[in-house]
Amino acid sequence: QSVLTQPPSVSAAPGQNVTISCSGSSSNIGINYVSWYLHLPGTAPKLLIYDNNKRPSGIPDRFSGSQSGTSATLGITGLQTGDEADYYCGTWDSSLSAGVFGGGTKLTVL
Amino acid sequence: EVQLLESGGGLVQPGGSLRLSCAASGFTFGSYALTWVRQAPGKGLEWVSGISGSGGSPYYADSVKGRFTISRDKPKNMVYLQMNGLRAEDSAVYYCAKASGYSYGFFDYWGQGILVTVSS
Repeated sequence: QSVLTQPPSVSAAPGQNVTISCSGSSSNIGINYVSWYLHLPGTAPKLLIYDNNKRPSGIPDRFSGSQSGTSATLGITGLQTGDEADYYCGTWDSSLSAGVFGGGTKLTVL
Repeated sequence: EVQLLESGGGLVQPGGSLRLSCAASGFTFGSYALTWVRQAPGKGLEWVSGISGSGGSPYYADSVKGRFTISRDKPKNMVYLQMNGLRAEDSAVYYCAKASGYSYGFFDYWGQGILVTVSS
């Protein structure tokens, strides 16, 4: 069981928008920044969003992040087939003194 | 260019030991925390251990505490994960990742990963 909770899968058609939720608690998302990662099997995970809502250079503005209370959300607009991947939220848990990830969400672009 | 290159993976019997290495380059080594993250077959990412820029303040996931030890060698720009008492559930691809800050932060660069298989 992951400390952070994500839906196992989401799907949408090309061009549509999708959101992926990440639910935590007062010891992690409630007090620490959230980051989001894209992961394709066999490759290195890639940073998409950091500090809840900031994008590294090179990440298109189709990707956005938000945080409210003990939850965070990744938004992707104008879905492309190349967006199909596993998406993970992550943060620090101050009670555990450990990093934590969500269980991952598989995005399917129909 | 930041590069992280893992090595030392392989097949090991249950109860055995393995030391993973991560060669880092392209950034001021002592200024950033480094982390190990793993992905077991069919599972999601799991944070395993992290160490601050100075080499102090190591942190561990409960699942590996007491069995794994993280360390770093500043002159060699290397970070290590000594894994003892290995179990089948430790089988995974292990990634070395650079944190954005001295003690923690988000993971802005990742290695390609190294496979560890624990099996008799």
